[in-house]
Amino acid sequence: GAGVSQSPRYKVAKRGQDVALRCDPISGHVSLFWYQQALGQGPEFLTYFQNEAQLDKSGLPSDRFFAERPEGSVSTLKIQRTQQEDSAVYLCASSPPTGNTIYFGEGSWLTVV
Amino acid sequence: AQTVTQSQPEMSVQEAETVTLSCTYDTSESDYYLFWYKQPPSRQMILVIRQEAYKQQNATENRFSVNFQKAAKSFSLKISDSQLGDAAMYFCAYRSRNNDMRFGAGTRLTVKP
Repeated sequence: GAGVSQSPRYKVAKRGQDVALRCDPISGHVSLFWYQQALGQGPEFLTYFQNEAQLDKSGLPSDRFFAERPEGSVSTLKIQRTQQEDSAVYLCASSPPTGNTIYFGEGSWLTVV
Repeated sequence: AQTVTQSQPEMSVQEAETVTLSCTYDTSESDYYLFWYKQPPSRQMILVIRQEAYKQQNATENRFSVNFQKAAKSFSLKISDSQLGDAAMYFCAYRSRNNDMRFGAGTRLTVKP
């Protein structure tokens, strides 16, 4: 498709399990963003890539969270030793080199039990 | 860091009437972008309208318009002729030039038939 694609759409993880969330941005989009959205709240910034460079990771809540974009296209958000407070929707977004609008995927819903 | 404040957790409007959602932001920058996104229960973020800070003219998209007051750092969204399909969470967002985007906490809009 032509939009931002995220997988898996839904993930149930046992506490302590590691998870990996994938984002496939729109082709040609240079910037890629990850957001965490807890129930009833607005999206909270996690991290930002320009091509393969991670320019801002100030929003990652702990060292259990790690994001990469090795070839400047697909990105993976990894959460190690998941905890219940990690339950949220993880939104990925991308934007083109010259545009100012960010386009969002449908999100990955993570539930930690 | 920039902050975005939406002071109305919930708003309600009668079908066909007009409603205004409030947003204020804090920044020391002079060049930036402002957005309103709509988020239905599916969690897909849908762009409603955007405004470049250097433009004095308020943006308009069909039934949606903004009142951008740069000096007051205010960016409200007016929805005219409200429709049942407008019911959703609405998020105000700020993006500095070529940088990440920050969101407010959201306003839940209910449309009464």
